[in-house]
Amino acid sequence: GQQLNQSPQSMFIQEGEDVSMNCTSSSIFNTWLWYKQDPGEGPVLLIALYKAGELTSNGRLTAQFGITRKDSFLNISASIPSDVGIYFCAGQRTGAQKLVFGQGTRLTINP
Amino acid sequence: GAGVSQSPSNKVTEKGKDVELRCDPISGHTALYWYRQSLGQGLEFLIYFQGNSAPDKSGLPSDRFSAERTGGSVSTLTIQRTQQEDSAVYLCASSQDSAIYGYTFGSGTRLTVV
Repeated sequence: GQQLNQSPQSMFIQEGEDVSMNCTSSSIFNTWLWYKQDPGEGPVLLIALYKAGELTSNGRLTAQFGITRKDSFLNISASIPSDVGIYFCAGQRTGAQKLVFGQGTRLTINP
Repeated sequence: GAGVSQSPSNKVTEKGKDVELRCDPISGHTALYWYRQSLGQGLEFLIYFQGNSAPDKSGLPSDRFSAERTGGSVSTLTIQRTQQEDSAVYLCASSQDSAIYGYTFGSGTRLTVV
């Protein structure tokens, strides 16, 4: 079953607002990834994090790998309509070959 | 190919029928994964293939589900005697040797069992 707790499950915001979502686990991961899924499509990789404490940006997106290696967050600044979708966190444990996914955060933006 | 290709994109089947879902991974990717996404839910791992190693089938929900990967490339997920609870989007992904750089997903097959 799911081992990553992602929150919030859904967000309804105004265009231009900043967004923050996070993912926590009871166990350590050595890689954290954030994906976005548009309707009718598969998830697309946004940001990958490989070191505890690492802070990485991709345009208006910023993600951090928690220092304990048990959490990660994703921030979106100045949201725009195309940010709508479902955001998933994913983690990989040392030696594991598959990713564990969070339940997703559904982002809705009111223009 | 340039991306992960899945077919069909949509499938409607009657309860009790068998279905086959196909995945064509990115050329050169040795790892292939199947996930299931039920309505409003996250991604549920089903099965993983890596090269010539025995597949990791630990996520298959019942013995009605099976998958194979021929020649280290194309994979087929088969669901026998489909049930309504099998209705979901089935996503295939591939990656290079390790998942550390993330997967590339296909667009999925939306399966509806009526």
